[in-house]
Amino acid sequence: AQSVTQLDSQVPVFEEAPVELRCNYSSSVSVYLFWYVQYPNQGLQLLLKYLSGSTLVKGINGFEAEFNKSQTSFHLRKPSVHIRDTAEYFCAVSGFTGGGNKLTFGTGTQLKVEL
Amino acid sequence: EPEVTQTPSHQVTQMGQEVILRCVPISNHLYFYWYRQILGQKVEFLVSFYNNEISEKSEIFDDQFSVERPDGSNFTLKIRSTKLEDSAMYFCASRTAGAIGEQYFGPGTRLTVT
Repeated sequence: AQSVTQLDSQVPVFEEAPVELRCNYSSSVSVYLFWYVQYPNQGLQLLLKYLSGSTLVKGINGFEAEFNKSQTSFHLRKPSVHIRDTAEYFCAVSGFTGGGNKLTFGTGTQLKVEL
Repeated sequence: EPEVTQTPSHQVTQMGQEVILRCVPISNHLYFYWYRQILGQKVEFLVSFYNNEISEKSEIFDDQFSVERPDGSNFTLKIRSTKLEDSAMYFCASRTAGAIGEQYFGPGTRLTVT
């Protein structure tokens, strides 16, 4: 079984400040890790993914995340946020179980960027 | 850029009625999924579908739910007898064979059961 924990339900931050959204996971099998973003009244858009290789992955819109196997974490970071980054961010995990590779999501973090 | 589409965007139905939610996945994708998100809660997996059969389903996906790919383009989710607790946003997703986990999501159908 897999699970994802996003400890911060809301993160307020001022524009141009750095931000980190935390994600921890647990799994009994090797995992693939993802961050999705959901803008108001829209579907989920893939920000970035970790499948293998370099533990630092870069995604769209200037976001990056670092996979830390020993700490079972996959925190999302951006050095300077913009108003348009205001959205809900979901961390997700998928394990190769031989089935459909379902995604297991965390509860989400609402990022609110203020002027 | 190709995208997953879903219809309708909002469906209101009375308790006990049947509803069919429709999705058109990206054309060269082979794996299809339904997820739901109850208001204020996390996105939950319902079912995955590959090669015209269910490959995995969650505990939520009980006998009142069914999925079908009636033709080469549509992927549907049917709820036979809706309950109040089925009110949620339902997302369809699809992916290619090689892109493990990289699922492309539709905009969702908001189902309201009264």
